[in-house]
Amino acid sequence: NAGVTQTPKFRVLKTGQSMTLLCAQDMNHEYMYWYRQDPGMGLRLIHYSVGEGTTAKGEVPDGYNVSRLKKQNFLLGLESAAPSQTSVYFCASSYGGGAPSYNEQFFGPGTRLTVL
Amino acid sequence: GESVGLHLPTLSVQEGDNSIINCAYSNSASDYFIWYKQESGKGPQFIIDIRSNMDKRQGQRVTVLLNKTVKHLSLQIAATQPGDSAVYFCAESRMDSSYKLIFGSGTRLLVRP
Repeated sequence: NAGVTQTPKFRVLKTGQSMTLLCAQDMNHEYMYWYRQDPGMGLRLIHYSVGEGTTAKGEVPDGYNVSRLKKQNFLLGLESAAPSQTSVYFCASSYGGGAPSYNEQFFGPGTRLTVL
Repeated sequence: GESVGLHLPTLSVQEGDNSIINCAYSNSASDYFIWYKQESGKGPQFIIDIRSNMDKRQGQRVTVLLNKTVKHLSLQIAATQPGDSAVYFCAESRMDSSYKLIFGSGTRLLVRP
């Protein structure tokens, strides 16, 4: 199993450009998440999904959109990139459900995005 | 808003010594806590968790202690090894919505040979 994979690994954008980050998981997990990590800070939840076709806002959703058309994929879109969105983006997935034993989150390797 | 924070940004220890990484949380409603390890260039990896009905939980070479009175938890690593060098994050959550995590800012652990 590959676990959680993310593409691309690195990207440089100019202000105002758009892009989509792709996350894929092969563990048949119901829940998927997008986080951003800024220098010297922990991860902050952008959006998450509790199942195919569902999405919900996290802690810092502004400027991002997401889609979960297939259970194994979770896409993060930036419609008009801003320098404040320069960050490392992590995708994660978990089995799902309220109980902690079902919600150990497995993380991808991250995407480093720079917006000039 | 309420958040999870850490006391020390960097901890340097001698190989073979024990390490203690601390974390303070402020949300008294949190009842589930997790420690993650993040190696350079990788995503966070689950280490150990603890529920608020426990004061201590042990894993392989790691122990998490929870003090609800002062809203503090710590991660103890026994016989620290070079492979333990990483950034460690604590995260808080609620048992009934454990998929929603609030992460602390992290502590970097450096192991000296």
